[in-house]
Amino acid sequence: AQKVTQAQTEISVVEKEDVTLDCVYETRDTTYYLFWYKQPPSGELVFLIRRNSFDEQNEISGRYSWNFQKSTSSFNFTITASQVVDSAVYFCALLSGNTGKLIFGQGTTLQVKP
Amino acid sequence: EPEVTQTPSHQVTQMGQEVILRCVPISNHLYFYWYRQILGQKVEFLVSFYNNEISEKSEIFDDQFSVERPDGSNFTLKIRSTKLEDSAMYFCASSEFNTEAFFGQGTRLTVV
Repeated sequence: AQKVTQAQTEISVVEKEDVTLDCVYETRDTTYYLFWYKQPPSGELVFLIRRNSFDEQNEISGRYSWNFQKSTSSFNFTITASQVVDSAVYFCALLSGNTGKLIFGQGTTLQVKP
Repeated sequence: EPEVTQTPSHQVTQMGQEVILRCVPISNHLYFYWYRQILGQKVEFLVSFYNNEISEKSEIFDDQFSVERPDGSNFTLKIRSTKLEDSAMYFCASSEFNTEAFFGQGTRLTVV
């Protein structure tokens, strides 16, 4: 079965704190892709990152960083020095198979307070 | 930058009515998708479409739903007889390869 679990339903931090959003996935495929999307209050899905299963290098983009560990089937997302504008729902998603279907986690609501 | 465009942004319809949600995918993309997000819940896959046919559909995508690519640019989702529980945000997505997805801004469907 393919599944994505985001165990943290809601996280609240104060501005400038670092925060890590957890994502654990399940798949039997050897080739797959992992994604993070941000959904601000306006509702659209904003693409943040895609990683394929053969690339375990961690990635940093500004204040955002991602830690991909196949050994623990995790793809965690860290925001450094959080800002109020980071407040949103964050979804982790898994893509495997040949139809391009994305399987989303339940999402983590991040609230950054000033 | 090319983007996926969805219209309308918000649609209100009466229960039992047919509704068509429209999407214009990115022009060179070959794979097309619809997803649904009930308010406060996760995003759920409905259907994928490639080479003018459905390649995969979920349990949600029952006989009330259909998709069509009527011309070279549009990709539509039709709900034949809407129910209250069809109220949700519907996202269209497209991709050039089946290893990514570019989402539209969504259509909020409210069934009353």
